[in-house]
This record gives sequence, structure tokens and C-alpha cells, in this order.
Amino acid sequence: QKEVEQNSGPLSVPEGAIASLNCTYSDRGSQSFFWYRQYSGKSPELIMFIYSNGDKEDGRFTAQLNKASQYVSLLIRDSQPSDSATYLCAVNGLGGYNKLIFGAGTRLAVHP
Amino acid sequence: EAGVVQSPRYKIIEKKQPVAFWCNPISGHNTLYWYRQNLGQGPELLIRYENEEAVDDSQLPKDRFSAERLKGVDSTLKIQPAELGDSAVYLCASSLGEIAGGLTDTQYFGPGTRLTVL
Repeated sequence: QKEVEQNSGPLSVPEGAIASLNCTYSDRGSQSFFWYRQYSGKSPELIMFIYSNGDKEDGRFTAQLNKASQYVSLLIRDSQPSDSATYLCAVNGLGGYNKLIFGAGTRLAVHP
Repeated sequence: EAGVVQSPRYKIIEKKQPVAFWCNPISGHNTLYWYRQNLGQGPELLIRYENEEAVDDSQLPKDRFSAERLKGVDSTLKIQPAELGDSAVYLCASSLGEIAGGLTDTQYFGPGTRLTVL
């Protein structure tokens, strides 16, 4: 079992819809969770992080964390074609708060 | 505020040749990371520095890879000799480290160096 799992996609959604991206992790001791966006040929850029159970909202983005079920998700409301990218989930693993384990990413395609 | 700077952006070499990558972190960031990202995969940590000390190099292939962070600022990652399987994007990231207070320590990535080994 991979430490951080994501559906590779592509996840295709129409413009204006809600995109839901999911991530599961194996280490119950993980405490902080990050979502990065990566455009093709570019480096990852941080969208948001979460470390408490529940929802955290930032503009059109909402991160959801359920530690009991070991999953974290990212919702993108009013999806735009510019949101088309690969979304990487990262979880802090054994070795400290800043040792991040990345999933392979989910490719999102928003079509007009 | 300037972001993480990396050079070169692209490098093409023949196998068995040496190669070096340079990184300048965000000013004030004590922690520096080198990652390798293969196509279709997430970044994988190679080495992490706290100031000038390498605190986690468990994933660094030490037979051919080396890294240094003199004076706790800039860092260099070297591969010698390079192999075909080393073709990947090498990403440098930095974060505040302990100053950030732990859980919220956020890593910021540089543009990366795309290495092609022929």
C-alpha cells in the first residue's frame, strides 16, 4: 500500500461545476496535510494546508480532513479552465512535521 | 519577495558525466529540501537541511549523489556519474523550519531543473 494515494484521473468536470479531489494516507500519526497545484512543466505551488478535522475554506477552495478515516479532500467550486492542472496531496510522515510524502497527483481537466 | 531560485533550468548530459544543480532558498528560510520528481509521480525527498546540517538524507543515493549547503544558505546537489535512470526534474524547496511552529511549516518550491541523461 502506498503511503499517500490519489486517483490519477483525469477528472473531467464542466466549467462552473464543483471538482472533488480525494487523497488517502496510511500513517495514522500524520498531522498536517497540504494540497499543491502543478501545471504541466511547472513546479508545485501551494494551495492550502489543513491540520484539524473538518473543513477549511479559502476562496473557491475547501479542504476537508477526516483523520479517523484517513482521508483528505479538496473541493474546487466554480471550476475554471485555468484550474486544469495536476493536484498533489502531501502528508507529513515519519521523521517530523516537515517530512512530506507526496501522492502521485490527480489530473483535473475543466472543459468550457 | 523573491522565490526559490534554481539553475540551470534544463540540462542534457551523456551518461557517466557529472552534473550539478544550484539552489538559492527564500530569504530567511532555514530549511532546504531537494526533491526528485519522475514523470507522472509526486516529488520524492532526497535530502533535507536544517541550516547547514543535513538532517535527513535517507533517500539520497550516496554512491553517486552528494549535496552541500555551505553557510546555511545556497545549496548544491551533484550527481557523479549520471545514469539513464537519473533523468527527472530536480526540485529545490525551502521553508521557515521551526520558526513556523511545526504543523504550519510550508514548503515553497523553485522552478526545478529538468535533467535528461542520454
